[in-house]
Amino acid sequence: AQSVAQPEDQVNVAEGNPLTVKCTYSVSGNPYLFWYVQYPNRGLQFLLKYITGDNLVKGSYGFEAEFNKSQTSFHLKKPSALVSDSALYFCAVRGVGRRALTFGSGTRLQVQP
Amino acid sequence: DAEITQSPRHKITETGRQVTLACHQTWNHNNMFWYRQDLGHGLRLIHYSYGVQDTNKGEVSDGYSVSRSNTEDLPLTLESAASSQTSVYFCASSGGDGMNSPLHFGNGTRLTVT
Repeated sequence: AQSVAQPEDQVNVAEGNPLTVKCTYSVSGNPYLFWYVQYPNRGLQFLLKYITGDNLVKGSYGFEAEFNKSQTSFHLKKPSALVSDSALYFCAVRGVGRRALTFGSGTRLQVQP
Repeated sequence: DAEITQSPRHKITETGRQVTLACHQTWNHNNMFWYRQDLGHGLRLIHYSYGVQDTNKGEVSDGYSVSRSNTEDLPLTLESAASSQTSVYFCASSGGDGMNSPLHFGNGTRLTVT
């Protein structure tokens, strides 16, 4: 079975500071990893994905994520947070042969001005 | 632009009633999914379909059913609504074999069962 853990329910960061939202995963075989963002009363929006290749993946709105196979982690990062980045963030994994995604429980990011 | 539309956006129903939530996508995607979102659980997979006439159960399928008669639509039916099914429901789709493709989500249906 595949699973995703997001250990922090909420992350608080000051505007202009770097941010990290943590994610670890468990899956058989090579993982397909994704990050999504959800704004209030909206569906999930795709931010970035790791399929294979470089361990640092760049995505939308200045976000990037670092894949670490030995630690089974896929942490979301941004060098300088904006107040508008405040939202709910979900990490998701897809195992080989599966088309559905398994999601973590979500991390609420709060960026203070 | 292609999109995925869910209706209604909000629904209140009574325990024991049958409810159908609509999902319509214009991406021409073969893969479609239904998830429910609950606090502390993230999104959990209810049912999914890889094409017309194909349906499969997800991890929380009890009390739900789907049918796929065309590429564009995957309606979700609650056979006899229960208070435990109060949730926000999201439909999603993806193209091709689905492995490299992200899911595209609708804006959700908030269902309250009283």
